[in-house]
Amino acid sequence: AQRVTQPEKLLSVFKGAPVELKCNYSYSGSPELFWYVQYSRQRLQLLLRHISRESIKGFTADLNKGETSFHLKKPFAQEEDSAMYYCALKGPGTYKYIFGTGTRLKVLA
Amino acid sequence: DTGVSQDPRHKITKRGQNVTFRCDPISEHNRLYWYRQTLGQGPEFLTYFQNEAQLEKSRLLSDRFSAERPKGSFSTLEIQRTEQGDSAMYLCASTRMGGYEKLFFGSGTQLSVL
Repeated sequence: AQRVTQPEKLLSVFKGAPVELKCNYSYSGSPELFWYVQYSRQRLQLLLRHISRESIKGFTADLNKGETSFHLKKPFAQEEDSAMYYCALKGPGTYKYIFGTGTRLKVLA
Repeated sequence: DTGVSQDPRHKITKRGQNVTFRCDPISEHNRLYWYRQTLGQGPEFLTYFQNEAQLEKSRLLSDRFSAERPKGSFSTLEIQRTEQGDSAMYLCASTRMGGYEKLFFGSGTQLSVL
């Protein structure tokens, strides 16, 4: 079964603390992995994708095929990082993006 | 270019009524998706269009749901004989084939079935 699991519904951290949002996936093959973010009163938007191996707004995510994980990390959280974060996957050659249930990140002052 | 546009933003209807939502994707995007999102859940795939062709439809979607994209531009999603369980946010997203694989989402249509 194709599935994305985000075990934490809510993650609260203090400003300046490290952040790790967990994402585990189930897929028979090599999917493409993404992180989408939704800030308050804004649309869902792409944060980063594993293929690009990029750092966006200080966030990085490493694909661990052995553990089937794609955790999102940031060394020093900022208040503006408070948002809803969704992990998503797409199978190669397919159209469908499968989203996790999301994790709400709250960065406290 | 104002991004993906969805209309209406909110829809309140009585159980048993039909509703139709519209999505206008970014003009050069030939891929269009409909997703449904309920409280506490992530977006759930409903259907996908490549140009005017509907290439995939979720098995979870009952026959009461139908979507069209007649000229490969805007799309409509119709729900017939609405039920209270249809209450959700309906999201449209678009992207360009061969592009960056980045979905651009609309603001969504919030449906409430009374």
